Amino acid sequence: RKEVEQDPGPFNVPEGATVAFNCTYSNSASQSFFWYRQDCRKEPKLLMSVYSSGNEDGRFTAQLNRASQYISLLIRDSKLSDSATYLCVVVGGSYIPTFGRGTSLIVHP
Amino acid sequence: EPEVTQTPSHQVTQMGQEVILRCVPISNHLYFYWYRQILGQKVEFLVSFYNNEISEKSEIFDDQFSVERPDGSNFTLKIRSTKLEDSAMYFCASRVSGVNTGELFFGEGSRLTVL
Repeated sequence: RKEVEQDPGPFNVPEGATVAFNCTYSNSASQSFFWYRQDCRKEPKLLMSVYSSGNEDGRFTAQLNRASQYISLLIRDSKLSDSATYLCVVVGGSYIPTFGRGTSLIVHP
Repeated sequence: EPEVTQTPSHQVTQMGQEVILRCVPISNHLYFYWYRQILGQKVEFLVSFYNNEISEKSEIFDDQFSVERPDGSNFTLKIRSTKLEDSAMYFCASRVSGVNTGELFFGEGSRLTVL
């Protein structure tokens, strides 16, 4: 089983849609979780951290389910500018941030 | 806003040549990383560095790779004898601390093309 798994997509949605991404991780001892955004041929940038109680930042909501070892990202009211690849990042016992392969989102008019 | 800077942004080299990629991490950060991303693939961990020594490395980081912090600011990745499969984007990253929390800040990357 891969350390961090994501559906690569692409998710192709119209503006205004709600879209959700899931990510599963294999190391039950993992402690920190993040969603990063990566635009084409650019560096990853932090979108949001994921807390045990779940957290929201504007149109973005992140959830963590430790029992099932997955995290999710919900984007409401999608904008054209949300088109990007969303990377799930998990930090385990070795303190090394490990990336999923990313989920591609395309928001169209 | 403080940022991680990387040079060069793009390097083209012949197979078998040595390449040095340079990074200046954010000044108060203590943990430094190199990741690589082959076109269309995932971001892969290469090596982490703390207190002037390697703390973790992946199986990708073989004897052809080395890292150094030659002075108080630069953090370099050297590939001794490049192979075609080393062609990738190499990202330097830094964090304030090495414990589980803490955002990883990335540089804009150095694209390496091996011919």
